[in-house]
Amino acid sequence: DTAVSQTPKYLVTQMGNDKSIKCEQNLGHDTMYWYKQDSKKFLKIMFSYNNKELIINETVPNRFSPKSPDKAHLNLHINSLELGDSAVYFCASSQVSVRSSPLHFGNGTRLTVT
Amino acid sequence: DAKTTQPPSMDCAEGRAANLPCNHSTISGNEYVYWYRQIHSQGPQYIIHGLKNNKTNEMASLIITEDRKSSTLILPHATLRDTAVYYCIVRPYNNNDMRFGAGTRLTVKP
Repeated sequence: DTAVSQTPKYLVTQMGNDKSIKCEQNLGHDTMYWYKQDSKKFLKIMFSYNNKELIINETVPNRFSPKSPDKAHLNLHINSLELGDSAVYFCASSQVSVRSSPLHFGNGTRLTVT
Repeated sequence: DAKTTQPPSMDCAEGRAANLPCNHSTISGNEYVYWYRQIHSQGPQYIIHGLKNNKTNEMASLIITEDRKSSTLILPHATLRDTAVYYCIVRPYNNNDMRFGAGTRLTVKP
């Protein structure tokens, strides 16, 4: 009964491949997010997705695209993977309609591009 | 471009209170103070948040100064499992964006 779950936990792939990371939340939240944590351990927001409104961090390459089949899922597709994409990716969710609602995070997907 | 300043690291003896400071001198009236922690590359774990009054839950206490320019997270009886990076974040209540800084690495020692 994990609140925010991501699959896979580990992903090793080669440069140039296309891959997806899945995220599901069972909290009934209205907003989901993707964060990236690089080797220097800084956590940076990539996207937030609320009621089909996508807010993109402008520094994210367009090789990255979030896809939300429904309110409980926000998957991350990455095309033409590069070495610099290696990082830990965290999914999160919150109920933005509730004032000051905190974010709840999954346990991450460690992506290694070789 | 985090709006908070935290010491990079702190130590605490097991069983003692851990007091983690955070400066947020440019905080706006509609911004809350949130605390998260991250234990060894797990997902960030929500601890507590507040606007201006002190808060306490089962994990910690949050003390916010009257001028709201700084706050302290208190873990009343630190255990070895509290060793983690602790993040203090300010965010408007109606904003999706939770921006993390470098945080404070707390090491609880036996």
